[in-house]
Amino acid sequence: DTGVSQNPRHKITKRGQNVTFRCDPISEHNRLYWYRQTLGQGPEFLTYFQNEAQLEKSRLLSDRFSAERPKGSFSTLEIQRTEQGDSAMYLCASSPQGVYEQYFGPGTRLTVT
Amino acid sequence: AQSVTQLDSQVPVFEEAPVELRCNYSSSVSVYLFWYVQYPNQGLQLLLKYLSGSTLVKGINGFEAEFNKSQTSFHLRKPSVHISDTAEYFCAVSKAGGTSYGKLTFGQGTILTVHP
Repeated sequence: DTGVSQNPRHKITKRGQNVTFRCDPISEHNRLYWYRQTLGQGPEFLTYFQNEAQLEKSRLLSDRFSAERPKGSFSTLEIQRTEQGDSAMYLCASSPQGVYEQYFGPGTRLTVT
Repeated sequence: AQSVTQLDSQVPVFEEAPVELRCNYSSSVSVYLFWYVQYPNQGLQLLLKYLSGSTLVKGINGFEAEFNKSQTSFHLRKPSVHISDTAEYFCAVSKAGGTSYGKLTFGQGTILTVHP
């Protein structure tokens, strides 16, 4: 069990640029979640997948955000035309079907300058 | 919708002293409850969970929590803390069942600092 991995761990980008993050869940976990955590706050739900289907998106996920999980394995989160308010830690988590606890990755810290 | 309030943003305590981190939640439906710990530059690690059954749940590293439905609370306790317990602790809830099960709503976090 190698755990949930996320890449890159850190990303610095200029306002207006596009960025993409990757999450590799624990093998055979069919549920995958994305959360965003800003300084001094708890994580906030963004979206989740069951296999390749995106089942729910938060209102926090504006049109500039898109997430995919094309083969039901890894997932990508893309932010287009980044803004300074997008600076945060982006966390990915996975869980097996029917299990309520989630296993979190180390996160990708995004800084928009 | 669910919401979680962690009543203390920071809790300083001396090593070997007991500690309680407080968590209250609000929900119109049945929920499951969790405590996660986050060490610096790391992801969240599950400490313990309440799904059903005994309202006193025990987790890893000597932590325990008690679910109180009437007071809508899920406070985390440890009888004797170590320096290594210094971290940020998050209380979280998820709706019990339904199509959105598993989606977590987190509190703002409590930073526990253990002093020698």
